[in-house]
Amino acid sequence: DVKVTQSSRYLVKRTGEKVFLECVQDMDHENMFWYRQDPGLGLRLIYFSYDVKMKEKGDIPEGYSVSREKKERFSLILESASTNQTSMYLCASSPPRQGGQPQHFGDGTRLSIL
Amino acid sequence: SQKIEQNSEALNIQEGKTATLTCNYTNYSPAYLQWYRQDPGRGPVFLLLIRENEKEKRKERLKVTFDTTLKQSLFHITASQPADSATYLCALDSSASKIIFGSGTRLSIRP
Repeated sequence: DVKVTQSSRYLVKRTGEKVFLECVQDMDHENMFWYRQDPGLGLRLIYFSYDVKMKEKGDIPEGYSVSREKKERFSLILESASTNQTSMYLCASSPPRQGGQPQHFGDGTRLSIL
Repeated sequence: SQKIEQNSEALNIQEGKTATLTCNYTNYSPAYLQWYRQDPGRGPVFLLLIRENEKEKRKERLKVTFDTTLKQSLFHITASQPADSATYLCALDSSASKIIFGSGTRLSIRP
């Protein structure tokens, strides 16, 4: 089974801090994704990556950046955390997009910015 | 703009009945439609995928239909059980672009 591991289940940080969320997958998937999930808004794509050192903006990239130095690891960075970034963050991976590939999710990081 | 809607935020049904969840979309032509299950505090888990040229797909007690004319997918759980209680997400997948997720329907099965 594919395993996507997110480094923290819960995280509390202060406004203005630089925050790192880590995600590792063990199935050699090319594609990795970062989403945030808020009540009533569903999953919103922040950034995604189709290969090492490659990144693409999703629908809500403002205030975030990403890093993918190794195939198995995809990091989300909040450059200067703000209270409106309090949310559930979900990482996912999938094989190359030849159509219809399901995404495999981690269990999420619930991030609170105080 | 592209829009995906799941019929209701919450659905409560009696154990043993069939649960039917609806996913509608506009301004989009997905090649595939996916359904996921999400339990509280966990990430979504993939359940089923249906292609645009398929009318229906089944997996054990689950059935998914896909009507590209109505721009709608129906997700059925037959002989529902309390263990089926969860949030179910539909997701539109075009082979040329990103997957778009609905906000989910929270299903509760009462004994």
